[in-house]
Amino acid sequence: AQSVTQLDSQVPVFEEAPVELRCNYSSSVSVYLFWYVQYPNQGLQLLLKYLSGSTLVKGINGFEAEFNKSQTSFHLRKPSVHISDTAEYFCAVSEKGRRALTFGSGTRLQVQP
Amino acid sequence: EAGVAQSPRYKIIEKRQSVAFWCNPISGHATLYWYQQILGQGPKLLIQFQNNGVVDDSQLPKDRFSAERLKGVDSTLKIQPAKLEDSAVYLCASSPGGGAGGYTDTQYFGPGTRLTVL
Repeated sequence: AQSVTQLDSQVPVFEEAPVELRCNYSSSVSVYLFWYVQYPNQGLQLLLKYLSGSTLVKGINGFEAEFNKSQTSFHLRKPSVHISDTAEYFCAVSEKGRRALTFGSGTRLQVQP
Repeated sequence: EAGVAQSPRYKIIEKRQSVAFWCNPISGHATLYWYQQILGQGPKLLIQFQNNGVVDDSQLPKDRFSAERLKGVDSTLKIQPAKLEDSAVYLCASSPGGGAGGYTDTQYFGPGTRLTVL
């Protein structure tokens, strides 16, 4: 069975600063990797996903993530954050051949002015 | 295109009572999921339907939880009787693919139903 670890439960950062949200996974088979964002009182929204090919994946709202197979990581980055990026971010994996997602526990990004 | 609809948005019940949640997926989506999100945790899959058949219910507490997907469209999730530890947000999601493909499909989530069990 696969698992996902998000090492930071909260990440405070000042507006316009860069940010990295960390995600590590474990699985005995090949996986697909996802980052979802959850704004207050809203449903989860897909930011980006890695399926195959280039290990650097670009998503919506200026976010990108890099898949590192040797370190089993899929860290999320943004070079300059905005107040509106304040939200909960979830890393998730699905095993190839299986649709259901396994989520990490989430990282709350708090952007301060 | 309309998103995934869920109702009610909030529900407060006492332990040992029963409760039901409803989900209407995006039109044409073959796969429907119910997730449970306990405060401070990530969503956890409860059950997955493909059309109107169950694909995965390995983490569904079947002694108290049940779910059905009528005619392969909308779905209901029921808890009977509820326990304090069932307090959570129940998320419904859908994705387009079915059959042998669709494993890379994006899952689209509804706003969730927040259940409080007193």
